[in-house]
Amino acid sequence: NAGVTQTPKFRILKIGQSMTLQCAQDMNHNYMYWYRQDPGMGLKLIYYSVGAGITDKGEVPNGYNVSRSTTEDFPLRLELAAPSQTSVYFCASSQQLDPSYNEQFFGPGTRLTVL
Amino acid sequence: AQKVTQAQTEISVVEKEDVTLDCVYETRDTTYYLFWYKQPPSGELVFLIRRNSFDEQNEISGRYSWNFQKSTSSFNFTITASQVVDSAVYFCALTNAGNMLTFGGGTRLMVKP
Repeated sequence: NAGVTQTPKFRILKIGQSMTLQCAQDMNHNYMYWYRQDPGMGLKLIYYSVGAGITDKGEVPNGYNVSRSTTEDFPLRLELAAPSQTSVYFCASSQQLDPSYNEQFFGPGTRLTVL
Repeated sequence: AQKVTQAQTEISVVEKEDVTLDCVYETRDTTYYLFWYKQPPSGELVFLIRRNSFDEQNEISGRYSWNFQKSTSSFNFTITASQVVDSAVYFCALTNAGNMLTFGGGTRLMVKP
């Protein structure tokens, strides 16, 4: 099991460029999440998905889009990159609706810089 | 609304000292779940423990122990006989049945040899 994988690990974007952060999990988890972690701060939820074809906004969704066409993949798209989106992005997945089992497994993160 | 506060932004100890990381939470739900995650310098988040609101028993796992007190809305984490490898950022987090984690701001622990 690779767990949760993310690509790329690092990326530098110019203002206005677009890119897609890739996330995949091989644990057959229904739930997937995207977080951002700003320097010295905790993680904030951007978007989440409860299954293929279903996504919903988290705490800080502006400037991002997601899709979930398969159980395994949950890409995050930045359409018009802005310096405020400089952050480390974490993808996570969890198994079940029951929070008793809601241990979220995290990917290694993508460090994004927008200049 | 839910909130998690980790008032200690940074703690520095010398190896073998005991250290306690504080976590205070706010929620209106009667059913909720608390978590601790470790983020070592390599950057990934590592799950340490999950505790539900109906289980106030303290837990010990090796050098780690957790003290859950509903009366003070706290879920503190103690490392006994700290080691250099314990140096990391530690996050406390909270969720209700809605399945969305709310993270605290994290506490950076530095253990010096």
